[in-house]
Amino acid sequence: KAGVTQTPRYLIKTRGQQVTLSCSPISGHRSVSWYQQTPGQGLQFLFEYFSETQRNKGNFPGRFSGRQFSNSRSEMNVSTLELGDSALYLCASSLAGTTSDTQYFGPGTRLTVL
Amino acid sequence: QKEVEQNSGPLSVPEGAIASLNCTYSDRVSQSFFWYRQYSGKSPELIMSIYSNGDKEDGRFTAQLNKASQYVSLLIRDSQPSDSATYLCAVAYKAGTALIFGKGTTLSVSS
Repeated sequence: KAGVTQTPRYLIKTRGQQVTLSCSPISGHRSVSWYQQTPGQGLQFLFEYFSETQRNKGNFPGRFSGRQFSNSRSEMNVSTLELGDSALYLCASSLAGTTSDTQYFGPGTRLTVL
Repeated sequence: QKEVEQNSGPLSVPEGAIASLNCTYSDRVSQSFFWYRQYSGKSPELIMSIYSNGDKEDGRFTAQLNKASQYVSLLIRDSQPSDSATYLCAVAYKAGTALIFGKGTTLSVSS
């Protein structure tokens, strides 16, 4: 079974621009979560989607948004990019997003904001 | 605020030794606990999950959970240089909520 895929793998943007990242979960998985990883803050939760609905959101500004499609694929958008948004953005999928479900991570998108 | 604490290390052990990685969490209603391994430049991969008090063994890895002490650990027996990585402890406490991650412990196994 194919793993979680993320596109693009690398992105370079300038301040003020916006960016859209894509995530395709493992086949059959309906829950998709997004995380931001930086050296200083570690892995931080952005939001989680299940059946096209955002169930939970972390403590990030409204510039960070996402959505999920009927095929469970998910996109994350960051508007008005800031230098501090430079990070590795990880997507993880699980069957149903219950506490006992394992979350499987994609390879990540490395975003650099100049 | 829910927190997961790990010693950042580095933890250095010789090849063949036992590596012991520790994690404490702040929320008593936490339900599930996971250990992920992350190699430099790669994404986290699951090593072990544990849900009830006690030990759980999988090959060279043993996870230990003590909910009363809010403590979870990972033991790696017969450590290999290929085990050199950052180990992330993650806690889940509510369906649909994030995994709360510690900042990870860097393990270095010398041959």
